This record gives sequence, structure tokens and C-alpha cells, in this order.
Amino acid sequence: GENVEQHPSTLSVQEGDSAVIKCTYSDSASNYFPWYKQELGKRPQLIIDIRSNVGEKKDQRIAVTLNKTAKHFSLHITETQPEDSAVYFCAARSGGGADGLTFGKGTHLIIQP
Amino acid sequence: DVKVTQSSRYLVKRTGEKVFLECVQDMDHENMFWYRQDPGLGLRLIYFSYDVKMKEKGDIPEGYSVSREKKERFSLILESASTNQTSMYLCASSLWVSGDTEAFFGQGTRLTVV
Repeated sequence: GENVEQHPSTLSVQEGDSAVIKCTYSDSASNYFPWYKQELGKRPQLIIDIRSNVGEKKDQRIAVTLNKTAKHFSLHITETQPEDSAVYFCAARSGGGADGLTFGKGTHLIIQP
Repeated sequence: DVKVTQSSRYLVKRTGEKVFLECVQDMDHENMFWYRQDPGLGLRLIYFSYDVKMKEKGDIPEGYSVSREKKERFSLILESASTNQTSMYLCASSLWVSGDTEAFFGQGTRLTVV
């Protein structure tokens, strides 16, 4: 099955700086890579996703890049703000629409004032 | 707006009890999933279902079973609860569309087995 590795487990950045979280996956058949943000005590929410036929996707301060050859994808957050503090999970889905997502172990992003 | 609702936010059960966790979604999604979330381990898939009465094992199905008698409802069953099943349980649902659709999560059930 799929295996997703996520790094770092904790990331502390100064407010206004950029943050980068990296994930690798093992199954070359994986074709969908979402990123979820989970604030303390709340459910995970999708913030951005990318499909295997796209190399990069951007949504305001958030961008995701995908390198299918190397089997890794990254989340980039620019101009970080206090409300970006949360746990971020990457995930990968292989196979058809019924397969569950395989998640990374999460990154706790801390924005220092 | 998609709504995935789990029946309880917090549960405390005794070792050996049979435990039912209920999840209901209101968007006619074909797929439903149960994950457990533990610190440092992320979200791990227990079971998923792609249709009524259909189920597939995920990565950690041992000690769990599921039931999907109606499309909108997916139940997770702990046949005989054990302390190592103390965890946060998250239900999710999604459409069946070529694998690239968002999964919507419930608010989670924090289960403590004593």
C-alpha cells in the first residue's frame, strides 16, 4: 500500500516569513495529493490539493508543488500570519475514487509573533 | 455546505464493552471512511465503504468492524473495547469521482477506554 512521509514534525517561523512542509510518497500510481489544516480542537479542513497531471498550484498565500519523478510534494505558505498556526497533514490517494487517503504524520506549524 | 456529523464528541467506555460510533453525512456521498488520529501517527484509515453494505479494510482494521445499512450512515464498532483503542476517531465522506475529490471530516469523537 501507499506510505507517506512528512517533514518536519514541528516548524516554528517568524510571522511574515515563509514556511515549507515536505512530503514523499511510495506508490507511483497515486494521483491526488490534498493538504489539510487542523486547528486545535477542530476537524481537518482541505486547504489546497493537486492532481498528478499538474506540477504546481497556487491559491493566494498557499502553493503546492508536485514532483512525480521524485515522488514528493510540498506545501508553501508565504507571509505567514498567526492564524496559520495549526497542524498540517499531507495525503495521497492511489487507485479509484473509493480508496481512502493515506496521511502523513502531520506538521505542527507555530507562527512566532 | 457538506455536513458530516458524529454522534458523540466524547465517550468513556470500560474495557470489554461493545462500542458504537455513528457518523451521518447529508450530501449523498458514496464514500465514507473511519480514521483514528493519534499524536505523532497522523490519521490512519480503519475502514472505508463505497456503497451501502459494501466495506473494505483500511490499514488498521484489527479490533474494529463497520456497518453501512443506509447510504448516509456509517458506523464503527469496537467489538470489545481495549485501552489501546483510546483515541480520536474521525469520520469522513467524499464523492466517487476518479479519486481526486475532497474528503469532508466530522468533528471527531474522543474515545477513552478505561
